[in-house]
Amino acid sequence: EVQLAESGGGVVQPGGSLRLSCAASGITFSTYWTSWVRQAPGRGLEFVANIKPDGSYTSYLGSVRGRFTISRDNAKSSLFLQMNSLGAEDTAVYYCAINEHWGQGTLVTVSS
Amino acid sequence: DMQMTQSPSTLSASVGDRVTITCRATQNINTWLAWYQQKPGKAPKLLIYGASSLVSGVPSRFSGSGSGTEFTLTISSLQPDDVATYYCQQYSYSFGQGTKVEI
Repeated sequence: EVQLAESGGGVVQPGGSLRLSCAASGITFSTYWTSWVRQAPGRGLEFVANIKPDGSYTSYLGSVRGRFTISRDNAKSSLFLQMNSLGAEDTAVYYCAINEHWGQGTLVTVSS
Repeated sequence: DMQMTQSPSTLSASVGDRVTITCRATQNINTWLAWYQQKPGKAPKLLIYGASSLVSGVPSRFSGSGSGTEFTLTISSLQPDDVATYYCQQYSYSFGQGTKVEI
């Protein structure tokens, strides 16, 4: 059974940083594109970033480009999202996704 | 940037009705399109990939069609369990804004 487990969410002040992690199991992680998707309270799904299986290519939502960095460690079947210069608009549940498999999400709240 | 536009944003129908949701892409995406169902407080569930391929275990009342820039998700006979918000997505990229289906 494929499992994705996000961690690292929490409350952070505006301008602060957080690092999200996603641990994958039950899947050959190193062969899949992986993504971060977020959902602000009461809002729709929003693509944040994705990364090629070997980590050589990344793509970002325009509003996070330059502030967020997606990375992966295939040896540890893990995906990361480094988030800097956070603002209220980044408040959301952040999901890790690999094809049809999604984690349960981790909540990031940006508030003073 | 690529944009995905869904319509309608909300849909109210009766049990047994045929329901259709439309998704339009601003660029040609061939059949690189997925449909998701999301219920409150839950992670999205993949229903359809490749624009028209049904995920194993998904009821056959769900179907997808289209290619290029215009796509549809059809529920042939709406059931109470289908109350949810539905999203289209260009593979691994942008989502439509969602269609809330009510009974």
